[in-house]
Amino acid sequence: AQTVTQSQPEMSVQEAETVTLSCTYDTSESDYYLFWYKQPPSRQMILVIRQEAYKQQNATENRFSVNFQKAAKSFSLKISDSQLGDAAMYFCAYRGAFNTGNQFYFGTGTSLTVIP
Amino acid sequence: DSGVTQTPKHLITATGQRVTLRCSPRSGDLSVYWYQQSLDQGLQFLIQYYNGEERAKGNILERFSAQQFPDLHSELNLSSLELGDSALYFCASSVADRSPGETQYFGPGTRLLVL
Repeated sequence: AQTVTQSQPEMSVQEAETVTLSCTYDTSESDYYLFWYKQPPSRQMILVIRQEAYKQQNATENRFSVNFQKAAKSFSLKISDSQLGDAAMYFCAYRGAFNTGNQFYFGTGTSLTVIP
Repeated sequence: DSGVTQTPKHLITATGQRVTLRCSPRSGDLSVYWYQQSLDQGLQFLIQYYNGEERAKGNILERFSAQQFPDLHSELNLSSLELGDSALYFCASSVADRSPGETQYFGPGTRLLVL
């Protein structure tokens, strides 16, 4: 079964600094998608960034970028120039392209605190 | 605002009771997904419907059931409630059935508290 592991329950970062959140996953599938979702105190789940496994290039969305290491099954999220509004729970998620394509597998989340 | 609506926002009930959670997907979306988020946990996939048909099942208890109606709204029924069913229940929607790269849009969730 697919598993997603986020080994950092809590992280903190100074405003304007850079922070990296870690995620590893386990799968036997060759093609899949990886996601980072943000859950602020409002509890709304918001898509931050998405990576297709067959693409070598790391995805980037403004201040958010990923370091995707397919062989190592690692998918970390880098937040640059951290802002107070980045404070939230961040969930890494996996979705297979074939057999498990209908469902997400989520990690347990990393709570990010941004220090002014 | 994702365009996905869920009602009610909060629900407090007693053990043994039955509740119904409602979800309206974004306009044009045919797939609806239900997730459970327990305290300090990630989201657990429960079930998916596409255009009225069940498409995938995750870790959904037999006491739970769902359906999607012709107007595409979906309901999640939770019966014989236990304390451990207290959680945040999310609904998400997307256009397609099996398009793993497609974005799922999440509703604001229904917070269920079983006393």
